[in-house]
Amino acid sequence: GEQVEQRPPHLSVREGDSAVITCTYTDPNSYYFFWYKQEPGASLQLLMKVFSSTEINEGQGFTVLLNKKDKRLSLNLTAAHPGDSAAYFCAVSAYTGNYKYVFGAGTRLKVIA
Amino acid sequence: GGIITQTPKFLIGQEGQKLTLKCQQNFNHDTMYWYRQDSGKGLRLIYYSITENDLQKGDLSEGYDASREKKSSFSLTVTSAQKNEMAVFLCASSILGGHEQYFGPGTRLTVL
Repeated sequence: GEQVEQRPPHLSVREGDSAVITCTYTDPNSYYFFWYKQEPGASLQLLMKVFSSTEINEGQGFTVLLNKKDKRLSLNLTAAHPGDSAAYFCAVSAYTGNYKYVFGAGTRLKVIA
Repeated sequence: GGIITQTPKFLIGQEGQKLTLKCQQNFNHDTMYWYRQDSGKGLRLIYYSITENDLQKGDLSEGYDASREKKSSFSLTVTSAQKNEMAVFLCASSILGGHEQYFGPGTRLTVL
């Protein structure tokens, strides 16, 4: 079955710096890709999504890139601020008939002012 | 918009006790999920329900039961609480398989 590896597990950057979180997956039939943000003590909030047909999405200071050839999904933060400090999780799902996500283990991002 | 509510927010039980967690959603979503999140870790799927009256086991179903009472509600039962399963239990729902899931605030379980 699908396996998702997320890197790095912890990331510390200074305010204004960029940050990149990457997930690699194994199932070439994966189609739906999501990034969730979890602030301390809170639940998961959908941050961004990208489908296999689109490969890129931007918003809220983030860019999501999908490299289907390498089976790699990345979340790029262009200018971090302390409010971005949280755990980030990628989630991958196949095209149809599959109701299950496979989540990455998460990246704990700390933005230092 | 909609909302997912989970009750209780905090649940304290004794080892060996049977405990029930409840989830309600008003998105009118067909599919609902229960996940377990251990401290500092990712999410593991316990049970999911594709539609009302459906029940599917996830990767972590042993030691748990689930019930989809109606379209809007999905309950999870810990059949015999163990100290090593102290975690946050998250409920989620989605309109269809493959689409984004929306999460509830979670129930934090402590086993004494």
